Amino acid sequence: QVQLQESGPGLVKPSQTLFLTCTVSGGSIPSGGYYWTWIRQLPGKGLEWIGYIYYGGSIYYNPSLQSRATISIDTSKNQFSLNLSSVTAADTAVYYCAREGRSRVSYYGMDVWGQGTTVTVSS
Amino acid sequence: DIQMTQSPSSLSASVGDRVTITCRASQSITTYLNWYQQKPGKAPKLLIYSASTLQGGVPSRFIGSGSGTDFTLTISSLQPEDFATYYCQQSYGTPRTFGPGTKVDIK
Repeated sequence: QVQLQESGPGLVKPSQTLFLTCTVSGGSIPSGGYYWTWIRQLPGKGLEWIGYIYYGGSIYYNPSLQSRATISIDTSKNQFSLNLSSVTAADTAVYYCAREGRSRVSYYGMDVWGQGTTVTVSS
Repeated sequence: DIQMTQSPSSLSASVGDRVTITCRASQSITTYLNWYQQKPGKAPKLLIYSASTLQGGVPSRFIGSGSGTDFTLTISSLQPEDFATYYCQQSYGTPRTFGPGTKVDIK
C-alpha cells in the first residue's frame, strides 16, 4: 500500500522560499507509471494544481504560479519536493502531494494523497 | 487552461435520496474526467476516473457518466458517510484543473 507524507515548515516569512518534501513509502518513484504531483487548497477554497514530475521525463507547472515553483525528485530518499519562491500571504494554504496514474494510453486520476500540510505565510 | 464548472454549488439531501452533480468542461476532454470526495480536514479521495470507472474500494452507489464536455456524478442512495464536498477534475491537459466543488449536506 503506497503512502505519501508531506513535511516542511508550517510558517514561512513573506518573500522567502517555501520548501516541502513528500516521502513515498510502499512503492518506488523510479518504477514509473505515475506523475508525482503537488496540489494546494487555499483556506475555505477549492483545489489548485501546482505541478507534477514524472521520473526520468516531464515536469509541468501551473502557469498561474508565474515560474515560482520547482519540483524535483530525490531517488536516494524516495522523495519528491516542491520549492515555491517569493511567497506572499496568498500562498497560505494546505499543501498536498499526490500521485496520478498514467500509461501510454490514458490517465487514471490522483489515487493516493498525503494527509496535507498547512503552510502559513506571515511575518 | 481548461475551465471546469460544477452545479449546484451546494445541495441539501436526506439519507436514501438520489443525488446528481453536474460538471462541465470549457472544451472537449473526451473521458478524461475524475471525481473526488473531500471531507473536512481530510485529503480528497478518488472516487471515479476516466468519467465512469469506479476506483477500487468505492461503493457502487457512486456512478459517473458523460463524455466530451458534460459529465455527471450520481449517488444512487445517499448514505450518512457521503455528506462531503465533491470535485471534478480534468486530466486531458495541463495544467490539471478542478471544478469549484459541490457541497452535499444534510437536509
